[in-house]
Amino acid sequence: GAVVSQHPSRVICKSGTSVKIECRSLDFQATTMFWYRQFPKQSLMLMATSNEGSKATYEQGVEKDKFLINHASLTLSTLTVTSAHPEDSSFYICSATYSETQYFGPGTRLLVL
Amino acid sequence: GQQVMQIPQYQHVQEGEDFTTYCNSSTTLSNIQWYKQRPGGHPVFLIQLVKSGEVKKQKRLTFQFGEAKKNSSLHITATQTTDVGTYFCAADSGTYKYIFGTGTRLKVLA
Repeated sequence: GAVVSQHPSRVICKSGTSVKIECRSLDFQATTMFWYRQFPKQSLMLMATSNEGSKATYEQGVEKDKFLINHASLTLSTLTVTSAHPEDSSFYICSATYSETQYFGPGTRLLVL
Repeated sequence: GQQVMQIPQYQHVQEGEDFTTYCNSSTTLSNIQWYKQRPGGHPVFLIQLVKSGEVKKQKRLTFQFGEAKKNSSLHITATQTTDVGTYFCAADSGTYKYIFGTGTRLKVLA
């Protein structure tokens, strides 16, 4: 089956710094990837749709200048949390669609101190 | 915007009992998917339902898509401790953009 990887799996950073999370489709090409955020004991909330070669589409309430998305190739999308604050601490998960099925990456746990 | 609700929010069952979670969308869906997320893990795809009234089975799991394509259910027969986790439905209105339901957390007592 299709495999999606994420890097890093965990990151701890100081408040005010920026963090980049990578999402890769390992054995298929993905023109579209999705970024979700999940707070403890809550559901996955769609943040944005990452489109290869064009601007990302953000969901209502998600600040595009804070969560920068770049989808420069058919196998890589990056999410950069700029000027991270403690309230940005969360589990960030990406997914990509292959043959009408969503495949999720293993997620990145971000802790902002 | 589109809302996807699941009930119950939590369910504790004795091992061997059955379990059902229900998923309801505020809008008509193109398709619906079900996922299982173990504690500390990421969502794992279980199944996709596309047709109105569709029923699919995977061993002890039975998935159903409503006739109006606005609701779905997941039923587990004779639960086992390995069934522990949170079950999410994810709804697609036709754009491949999936909105996740609120989830049902299942605990199975041995």
